[in-house]
Amino acid sequence: EAQVTQNPRYLITVTGKKLTVTCSQNMNHEYMSWYRQDPGLGLRQIYYSMNVEVTDKGDVPEGYKVSRKEKRNFPLILESPSPNQTSLYFCASSLQMNTEAFFGQGTRLTVV
Amino acid sequence: SQQGEEDPQALSIQEGENATMNCSYKTSINNLQWYRQNSGRGLVHLILIRSNEREKHSGRLRVTLDTSKKSSSLLITASRAADTASYFCLEGAQKLVFGQGTRLTINP
Repeated sequence: EAQVTQNPRYLITVTGKKLTVTCSQNMNHEYMSWYRQDPGLGLRQIYYSMNVEVTDKGDVPEGYKVSRKEKRNFPLILESPSPNQTSLYFCASSLQMNTEAFFGQGTRLTVV
Repeated sequence: SQQGEEDPQALSIQEGENATMNCSYKTSINNLQWYRQNSGRGLVHLILIRSNEREKHSGRLRVTLDTSKKSSSLLITASRAADTASYFCLEGAQKLVFGQGTRLTINP
């Protein structure tokens, strides 16, 4: 089954404690991206990757890091989480940037 | 912000009626896509319309695109309770930008 898998689905953490949200896709897609969704602000792109070892900033990259060492995986790293990073995060993948995107189920992160 | 705007922000109609939502965007596009999101879950792709297309149909969905006005509309005909969700447009060429979304409620 074609899917994008994010883990964990829910996470509560404390300020400053490094965390990683994993994202994996099984469709051999080249393009992957991370979004955060906040009430009243919609979905905003954090980072995207056009292919292995190619990543670039989206609209709200501050406080986040990503890596794309393998085609299937695109982890999101918060080196020092802060409360303003409390949000609902989505990973997505698509064959290319402007083609149909498949989304993970989301990770609800709370930073206290 | 590069985010597009969707209109209306919220729409409540009776089951069986048609629902129309609009999306205006700011950048040049290769195509425009519409997605549905059910209460905080992952987004699901509905339909893609290319920049050289003016109208596209898929089942009960009809999408139009006016590149001169930088706007698109999504029409859902004969709405059902299961259509209750938020609907987003996604556009962009170099970067992908979501609209703010329209929250659609279908009342039985």
